Amino acid sequence: SYVLTQPPSVSVSPGQTATITCGRLNIGSKSVQWYQQKPGQAPVVVVYDDSDRPSGIPERFSGSNSGNTATLTITRVEAGDEADYYCQLWDSSDDHHYVFGTGTKVTVL
Amino acid sequence: EVRLVESGGGSAQPGGSLRLACTASGFPFSSYEMNWVRQAPGKGLEWVAYISSSGTVTYYSDFVKGRFTVSRDNAKNSISLEMTSLRVEDTAIYYCTRGRTTVRGTKFARWFDPWGQGTLVTAS
Repeated sequence: SYVLTQPPSVSVSPGQTATITCGRLNIGSKSVQWYQQKPGQAPVVVVYDDSDRPSGIPERFSGSNSGNTATLTITRVEAGDEADYYCQLWDSSDDHHYVFGTGTKVTVL
Repeated sequence: EVRLVESGGGSAQPGGSLRLACTASGFPFSSYEMNWVRQAPGKGLEWVAYISSSGTVTYYSDFVKGRFTVSRDNAKNSISLEMTSLRVEDTAIYYCTRGRTTVRGTKFARWFDPWGQGTLVTAS
């Protein structure tokens, strides 16, 4: 199996844009999801299928996926966005395995 | 409201066993795949096991294959995770989560939504 590589941390000022990457060779051929996890809470999906948002997730959260990198972008960052973020994909070629990224801590300055 | 509630966590010695349960409500349980995902203290997320909607198909991560068994009872809206030969590295919060799937062209998106609150398993 393998892991998806994310930067350990990203710092951003309120109102600015946070960009979190998720790297793997040819990740663009897979569908990628993103989860937000606040301290002491269970993860919540914020983007699925590369760029779709579940109902209730603000438009400030957006995703893209191409080549070797998938990206989660959070615009107009708010204090409440401070959390750990994980990317995830399903690999049908690896005996139906689900793979998570290493996680990124987003700190709002 | 869609809800998943885990139970059964606790402490066990290495080599011991524990059985986790997850009870679902608020959705047609028998129509959905289910999964277990864990998170060691201070660490990231790790998928553990999958079970199909009928319960006839299961998959496991390499870390738990041969030691853990996932099952479900659609009449009781519940899934279970039987954990045997526990190792110190199995210490984690275990989350029950519903599987979701969409297909776009040749790409399958499979993800987890929602998640239960988790139950802590300590093997030490």
